[in-house]
Amino acid sequence: GQQVQQSPTSLVLQEGENAELQCNFSTSLNSMQWFYQRPGGSLVSVFYNPSGTKQSGRLTSTTVIKERRSSLHISSSQITDSGTYLCAMESNSGTYQRFGTGTKLQVVP
Amino acid sequence: GPKVLQIPSHQIIDMGQMVTLNCDPVSNHLYFYWYKQILGQQMEFLVNFYNGKVMEKSKLFKDQFSVERPDGSYFTLKIQPTALEDSAVYFCASSSPGQENTLYFGAGTRLSVL
Repeated sequence: GQQVQQSPTSLVLQEGENAELQCNFSTSLNSMQWFYQRPGGSLVSVFYNPSGTKQSGRLTSTTVIKERRSSLHISSSQITDSGTYLCAMESNSGTYQRFGTGTKLQVVP
Repeated sequence: GPKVLQIPSHQIIDMGQMVTLNCDPVSNHLYFYWYKQILGQQMEFLVNFYNGKVMEKSKLFKDQFSVERPDGSYFTLKIQPTALEDSAVYFCASSSPGQENTLYFGAGTRLSVL
């Protein structure tokens, strides 16, 4: 079954609003990485965050291993934040990262 | 930041032909990966590669697929022969020793099999 699930699948925000993206996984976690996928398709790493909370500018990631979830918070969203956000986790028994289905974010004026 | 380059960005070929996708990983990276993404669908793991060997592969990595990195040059994915269902964007990624879990991705090669 699906080991990595993301929610919501899509989200429309007005510029300036905040967003909370969720990633839930069904197996024990070894690592967690968040990616931003541009509309053209290329991937950019946003956070490597296997546990705890990390912040970079307007972005904050929190991973709670015991609850098998990770979140990505975007504050004061901007139009340029539009795109797809993917989480990828590596299980304790795996050697590669599995991706979630992504959250498609659209920020409008 | 570190860059992974993929060549070409788009490849169009006829079904049954052979295709080689090229990846120039970050210079000091030793772990290499291929992922496949069909348009509008999830990113799916194909294979990872270390020290000249395939470490793990998924069921999407069919017998027609092969990977190699001869003499530290490009990390390649070869498909021979291609099938219609191979049409997708193929992403290459690499990671460094000690930070194997932090992947850097290329921009992808869009493969269209006609």
